[in-house]
Amino acid sequence: GENVEQHPSTLSVQEGDSAVIKCTYSDSASNYFPWYKQELGKRPQLIIDIRSNVGEKKDQRIAVTLNKTAKHFSLHITETQPEDSAVYFCAANPRRALTFGSGTRLQVQP
Amino acid sequence: DAGVTQSPTHLIKTRGQQVTLRCSPKSGHDTVSWYQQALGQGPQFIFQYYEEEERQRGNFPDRFSGHQFPNYSSELNVNALLLGDSALYLCASSFSGKPSYEQYFGPGTRLTVT
Repeated sequence: GENVEQHPSTLSVQEGDSAVIKCTYSDSASNYFPWYKQELGKRPQLIIDIRSNVGEKKDQRIAVTLNKTAKHFSLHITETQPEDSAVYFCAANPRRALTFGSGTRLQVQP
Repeated sequence: DAGVTQSPTHLIKTRGQQVTLRCSPKSGHDTVSWYQQALGQGPQFIFQYYEEEERQRGNFPDRFSGHQFPNYSSELNVNALLLGDSALYLCASSFSGKPSYEQYFGPGTRLTVT
């Protein structure tokens, strides 16, 4: 089955800096790669996603890149703000179920 | 437009008991997936229901079962509860007509087994 690895497990940045979270996947059948943000005690919230026929997608301060050959994808957050502090999960979807990474705890220091 | 809803919010059960969790999908969605999220970990796929049938199943024992109703709502049943079943149970809904299978999560049910 699919295996998704996510790094780093924790990330601390100063407000205004950029943050990058990286994930790798194993199943070449995966064609959809969403990113979720989960604040403490709340539901995972879909923040951006990318399909396998696209190499990059941007939405305001958030961007995701995908390298199908290397089987890795990354989340980039620019101009970080304290409200960006949360746990971020990457996921891959080889068929219908989402396989999640282990999460990255992002802390933005004011 | 109502999002995904789940009930109950919290539940405390004793080892060996049985539990039923409920999920109503987002309006317009016809597919429901269930995930188990242990503390500090990413969600793990339990199973997915579409057209009232289990369409795909993750690596969970038969103690975990489910059902989908004609109105697309779903139930997750867990029998013979173990301490290790303590977790946040998340329901996610999606629309089968979208090729990307975007999934939207409910607030979850926090299950504690003592």
